[in-house]
Amino acid sequence: GAVVSQHPSRVICKSGTSVKIECRSLDFQATTMFWYRQFPKQSLMLMATSNEGSKATYEQGVEKDKFLINHASLTLSTLTVTSAHPEDSSFYICSAWENTEAFFGQGTRLTVV
Amino acid sequence: GNSVTQMEGPVTLSEEAFLTINCTYTATGYPSLFWYVQYPGEGLQLLLKATKADDKGSNKGFEATYRKETTSFHLEKGSVQVSDSAVYFCALRINTGTASKLTFGTGTRLQVTL
Repeated sequence: GAVVSQHPSRVICKSGTSVKIECRSLDFQATTMFWYRQFPKQSLMLMATSNEGSKATYEQGVEKDKFLINHASLTLSTLTVTSAHPEDSSFYICSAWENTEAFFGQGTRLTVV
Repeated sequence: GNSVTQMEGPVTLSEEAFLTINCTYTATGYPSLFWYVQYPGEGLQLLLKATKADDKGSNKGFEATYRKETTSFHLEKGSVQVSDSAVYFCALRINTGTASKLTFGTGTRLQVTL
């Protein structure tokens, strides 16, 4: 099947710094990608829909200035957590659809210290 | 709105036991239904799906039948293995386009012991 690759898989950063997470569709093109956040022992919460060549669509309650999304090409979307704080520590997962199936990245564990 | 309700875990079973994880949904329109599995530290993998009423999805010994009358999509496996230990998510999708939002249940952790 199709592959969605996420990088890095783990990152530790200091409070106040920014962190960029990449999501790539390796063998297919994705005009739309989705970014989810998963809290410990909880479900995936959709943060935003990333659209190639246009602005991302954010879910209610998600700060667009804090979670910057860029979808510059048909195979790459990036999520930048700006001015990170400890409460931003979480597991972030991206996904993209190929035909009728959603494929997920392996996730990024962000720890802000 | 759309929502998915899963039984709360964790579910602890002995190897070779029968597994049922309940899932019910609320949706406007006619959703497609999915079960995803997440192993520790990893992203989600599609386990099985069903796109219309009475369809049965199956994979790796797991099965789920799309029941429109009870708005359910319960996951079953006749004999679980230790390697099945993971978190299982039920999900639905309304749009039929190629890029659609998934609505997830809260996930059910399965622990299988020897």
